[in-house]
Amino acid sequence: DAGVIQSPRHEVTEMGQEVTLRCKPISGHDYLFWYRQTMMRGLELLIYFNNNVPIDDSGMPEDRFSAKMPNASFSTLKIQPSEPRDSAVYFCASSLALGLNSPLHFGNGTRLTVT
Amino acid sequence: GENVEQHPSTLSVQEGDSAVIKCTYSDSASNYFPWYKQELGKGPQLIIDIRSNVGEKKDQRIAVTLNKTAKHFSLHITETQPEDSAVYFCAPLMYSGGGADGLTFGKGTHLIIQP
Repeated sequence: DAGVIQSPRHEVTEMGQEVTLRCKPISGHDYLFWYRQTMMRGLELLIYFNNNVPIDDSGMPEDRFSAKMPNASFSTLKIQPSEPRDSAVYFCASSLALGLNSPLHFGNGTRLTVT
Repeated sequence: GENVEQHPSTLSVQEGDSAVIKCTYSDSASNYFPWYKQELGKGPQLIIDIRSNVGEKKDQRIAVTLNKTAKHFSLHITETQPEDSAVYFCAPLMYSGGGADGLTFGKGTHLIIQP
């Protein structure tokens, strides 16, 4: 299996621009998670989906952030408009289930820099 | 929500020595205790986990111990090697049949193996 695939690996954009991050989970995994990692705040859960339905989006920082999962093999995280404080590494993860024998499988992340 | 703390934030040990990282949590209902390893430029990967009905689990040079009364669990790495240098995260989880609470990661411990 190719694992969780994220694109792009790096994104540099100017403040005010729209940014779209993409994720392809592992086939057959019912859960998909978006995390943000910064030095100051560590790994923060933004939102997670079960069978393409958003379950908990309480970690989404502001209305500027939105996430979708149109089908079982694709999800996007969009920031519009972007701000310098959004600079971070964004990780997508997937898991078979949400439970004791279902660890999270992470992609290699998208490093976002907003100037 | 779950309050998770890891100690130390940075740990430097001589190659061949042992390393211990501790994770404390606040939710006494937590019942799943994984440790993840993150190498530079990659996403976190599960290395070992333990359930609440087990006190200790070993996998070659890696072990996890759990003290539910004190609400902490620890990662033990023996005979450390250069490839053990990474950031390690704990992520205690409260899982029930209907879902999970938490999905909160500790701030991470940067383990440095000195040659």
